[in-house]
Amino acid sequence: KAGVTQTPRYLIKTRGQQVTLSCSPISGHRSVSWYQQTPGQGLQFLFEYFSETQRNKGNFPGRFSGRQFSNSRSEMNVSTLELGDSALYLCASRDPLAGGLTTGELFFGEGSRLTVL
Amino acid sequence: GNSVTQMEGPVTLSEEAFLTINCTYTATGYPSLFWYVQYPGEGLQLLLKATKADDKGSNKGFEATYRKETTSFHLEKGSVQVSDSAVYFCALGEAAGNKLTFGGGTRVLVKP
Repeated sequence: KAGVTQTPRYLIKTRGQQVTLSCSPISGHRSVSWYQQTPGQGLQFLFEYFSETQRNKGNFPGRFSGRQFSNSRSEMNVSTLELGDSALYLCASRDPLAGGLTTGELFFGEGSRLTVL
Repeated sequence: GNSVTQMEGPVTLSEEAFLTINCTYTATGYPSLFWYVQYPGEGLQLLLKATKADDKGSNKGFEATYRKETTSFHLEKGSVQVSDSAVYFCALGEAAGNKLTFGGGTRVLVKP
């Protein structure tokens, strides 16, 4: 079974631009979430999608947005990029039927490393 | 809100040494607790988990026990190998969903 696939793996943008990152979850996983990893702030939750609906959102400005498609693939977008948005963006998928009411195991992709100049 | 505090690294050990990484948490309700590991150049992967008080998670020789009375979930391994060199993250999860709150991570370096 293929793992979580994120594209692109690396990208460089300049301040003020926007960026779109893509995530293909493990086949059969309908729940997708995004995390930002930086040396200063560590791993922080961005948002979670299930069946094309945002279920939860972290404490990030409105410049950060996402969506999920009917095939469970997800994209996140960051508009008006700032230097502080330089980070590794991780996507994770989960089978909501696993784990019952508790948070089930998340399967992470290798991430998209964004550098903002 | 929820928070996780884990010991800062780096932790440098010799092969076959005993490893402990401390993790304490603050949460409302009854969260699930996790240890994730990030090997060099790879994504995060679940190492072990515990979903209720006194549960012990174990995998690959690593163990951690969910201690509600001390709000802790310390990671231990009796004899580390060079291949255990990685960054270890303690995390807690809310009752449902994908929102994990992570600790800052502890880098472990095992020397031959």
